[in-house]
Amino acid sequence: GAGVSQSPSNKVTEKGKDVELRCDPISGHTALYWYRQSLGQGLEFLIYFQGNSAPDKSGLPSDRFSAERTGGSVSTLTIQRTQQEDSAVYLCASTLRGTSGGAWTDTQYFGPGTRLTVL
Amino acid sequence: AQSVTQLGSHVSVSEGALVLLRCNYSSSVPPYLFWYVQYPNQGLQLLLKYTTGATLVKGINGFEAEFKKSETSFHLTKPSAHMSDAAEYFCAVTTGFQKLVFGTGTRLLVSP
Repeated sequence: GAGVSQSPSNKVTEKGKDVELRCDPISGHTALYWYRQSLGQGLEFLIYFQGNSAPDKSGLPSDRFSAERTGGSVSTLTIQRTQQEDSAVYLCASTLRGTSGGAWTDTQYFGPGTRLTVL
Repeated sequence: AQSVTQLGSHVSVSEGALVLLRCNYSSSVPPYLFWYVQYPNQGLQLLLKYTTGATLVKGINGFEAEFKKSETSFHLTKPSAHMSDAAEYFCAVTTGFQKLVFGTGTRLLVSP
């Protein structure tokens, strides 16, 4: 597709269950980011992938959160033993690390997000 | 560490009036600056960005912003508001190829 896609668009789960959120970046984009948007905390960085490795996972709020990326493409964010405070919109973004028209570009393109509600 | 401050969680304007959304940043190294817009139940859409070069940058939908290093500001403006501009606007900073640090957002309300 032309843009970043995320699935599911909405997820309702019960406290204590595990959830998996998926992100498909723009084809050819080597860097991938996860952010979380919540009423109390605004937009927060979670983790960054360059290829399949994660050089910066400083934003993951606890060890219940993990993420992986395979084949330099699709990424999955997993939340184990979900808590009510995990309720938020989880946004994925990708970027092409390189040049565009002769200038470095670092624009992050965002997907529509996954709205997670933990009951 | 980088940070972004957006003054005013809500800004109200009349249709046709000037839009001014304020953003100040803090960065120890030359920043890359961005404005994103978010419509209800949608992701973030890039309005414009400053990386290097010309300090006045033009974006989509008639928006522009000026990078002022001496004031550490990157305010967003539009000469004439349209009803369709009603949305939430986020200013963000990065030093390149790293995480975006966002401001808390400004909700723009446009009245007829």
